[in-house]
Amino acid sequence: DGGITQSPKYLFRKEGQNVTLSCEQNLNHDAMYWYRQDPGQGLRLIYYSQIVNDFQKGDIAEGYSVSREKKESFPLTVTSAQKNPTAFYLCASSIAGGILFHTDTQYFGPGTRLTVL
Amino acid sequence: AQTVTQSQPEMSVQEAETVTLSCTYDTSESNYYLFWYKQPPSRQMILVIRQEAYKQQNATENRFSVNFQKAAKSFSLKISDSQLGDTAMYFCAFQYNNNDMRFGAGTRLTVKP
Repeated sequence: DGGITQSPKYLFRKEGQNVTLSCEQNLNHDAMYWYRQDPGQGLRLIYYSQIVNDFQKGDIAEGYSVSREKKESFPLTVTSAQKNPTAFYLCASSIAGGILFHTDTQYFGPGTRLTVL
Repeated sequence: AQTVTQSQPEMSVQEAETVTLSCTYDTSESNYYLFWYKQPPSRQMILVIRQEAYKQQNATENRFSVNFQKAAKSFSLKISDSQLGDTAMYFCAFQYNNNDMRFGAGTRLTVKP
């Protein structure tokens, strides 16, 4: 089956620890995204990547880091510098990236719920 | 900056009836895309419908249709013959390019039997 997978589904972190959330897609999509969702709010963009070995900050990148070494994978690290990391994290992908004024529908993974203890 | 407003935090509808969810947005762009996503209790974001701003015809997908008013910057979602499985959070989203998708705060829809 083609799709986007995220793991783990639930993640618990102690304060001061870094954690990495996994996102994998087998849709052959160029572009990948990380969003954060808090209660009562819409999704906010953390980082996005239009192509392998390239990524850009979104609106709320502070305290997060990413890598894009493979087309299929876009892991997100939540560092100890992120002051309020408890949230639901969604990964998405779309066919094309880096083409100005061109958009493609974003498809989402099932999400990871991160809780800081 | 683009903003998306969903003024109805919660709504309910009886099974088999019709409900309309509201969305307004603010932009100075002329070419863009609008989306409605559904997030059921599983929290998986599911695309419901998509509208290209350059198209005057309103998009439809089975029981889901939109009323796109470009001049008024309004993009409402109509769900006909509501089903229990339609119970979910619904998010309106605006996209100008791949790097800038903006979401509203969501409307929680409950379909009652």
